[in-house]
Order: sequence, then C-alpha cells, then structure tokens
Amino acid sequence: EVQLVVSGGGLVQPGGSLRLSCVASGLIFSEYKMSWVRQAPGKGLERLAGITGDGAATSYADSVKGRFTISRDNSKSTVYLQLNSLRAEDTAVYYCTTGGLTVISDYWGQGTLVTVSP
Amino acid sequence: ETVLTQSPGTLSLSPGERGTLSCRASQSVSGNYLAWYQQKPGQAPRLLIYGASTRATGIPDRFGGSGSETDFTLTISRLEPEDFAVYYCQQYGTLPITFGQGTRLEIK
Repeated sequence: EVQLVVSGGGLVQPGGSLRLSCVASGLIFSEYKMSWVRQAPGKGLERLAGITGDGAATSYADSVKGRFTISRDNSKSTVYLQLNSLRAEDTAVYYCTTGGLTVISDYWGQGTLVTVSP
Repeated sequence: ETVLTQSPGTLSLSPGERGTLSCRASQSVSGNYLAWYQQKPGQAPRLLIYGASTRATGIPDRFGGSGSETDFTLTISRLEPEDFAVYYCQQYGTLPITFGQGTRLEIK
C-alpha cells in the first residue's frame, strides 16, 4: 500500500520559514515525480511545485517562485518543501502528491496545516 | 497559463439523478492530460479520472469522463449519497499545472 506521510506544519510569524517533509512508502520512490499542492481555508487547490524522480528538474507556481524550494532525498524516500518569507496568504493545508507534468497525481498525503500569523 | 473554468459552481441534485459537471480550458489541453478529483471535507483529493476519460483504479463505473481540447465533462450516471462532494478538474499537460475552481455537488 502506498503511503505519503506529511509533517512540518505549524504556526509561524510573517516573514518566517518552515520546512515540510513528505515520507513515501510502498513505491519505488525514485521513479516518481512529486508535487506539492496547497489549499487555503475554504478555497480550491493550487499546485505549488514539482520535482522529477532524479531531482534534476523543478518547477514552481509564480505565487511561490523565489520563496519556496522543493527538493528530495531518494535515499530517505522523502520530498521536502522549504517555505521562506511566509505571508498571511500562505496559510493553507499543504499536500504532497505523486505526479507532475504529464503524470497523474494518484497518491496524496494527508496534508499539514501551515498558519502564518503574528 | 491554462485557466480552467468549472461550471456550475454549485449543483443541487437528488440521489439517483444524473450529474453533469463541466470544465472549460482557456487553451487546448496538451495530450488530453485532464484529470478529475473528488474531495470531501477534511480529506485529501481523490483521483477519479485521468487522460480525460480513463477511470482510476477502484472508481465505480457510474463516473465517466469525456471531452477534448478545451471542453471536458464529468458525468455521474446515478448519484449515490457518498458522491456529494467538491469536484476539481486539473490539467497536467502544460506547466504550470492548474486546477479549476471546483464544483460543489450538494444534496437537493
């Protein structure tokens, strides 16, 4: 059974940083593109970032480019999202998911809540 | 950026009825890389349809996807109580990958 376990969310002040982690099991992790998607309270889904299986290529939404960084450690079956210069509008549940460009997001983690507030 | 517009915003139907949800793209979706997800409160999205018309593993055959280029449809042939949720379309053929704003399917 494939599982994605997300951690690292919490309360952070504006301008602060967090690192989210997503540990995968039940799949050959290095073969999967991975993405991060967020959902602000009561709002829709926004795909933030993606990374190829070997980590060689990344992509970002304009809303987070230059502030967020996606990375992965295939030896630990883990994908990360570094969140810097956080703003109130970054408050959301953050999901990790398999998939990316031309590859479906068939597995999703449970999500972690990031709250940006003074 | 490919903007996806879903309609209607809210759809009120009764169990047993047929539901038709629309997703229109601002430009042709490359390779028909169009997916549909279902989301219930407090849960992660669940993949229903990919490649515009292929059901994901374990998805009941009352869910059907159709369409091409810029116009796509999710049809639920006979609504079950557990089908009332929010539905999102997503194009994953061109960067940035984008989602529609969602259609809420509620019990009438």
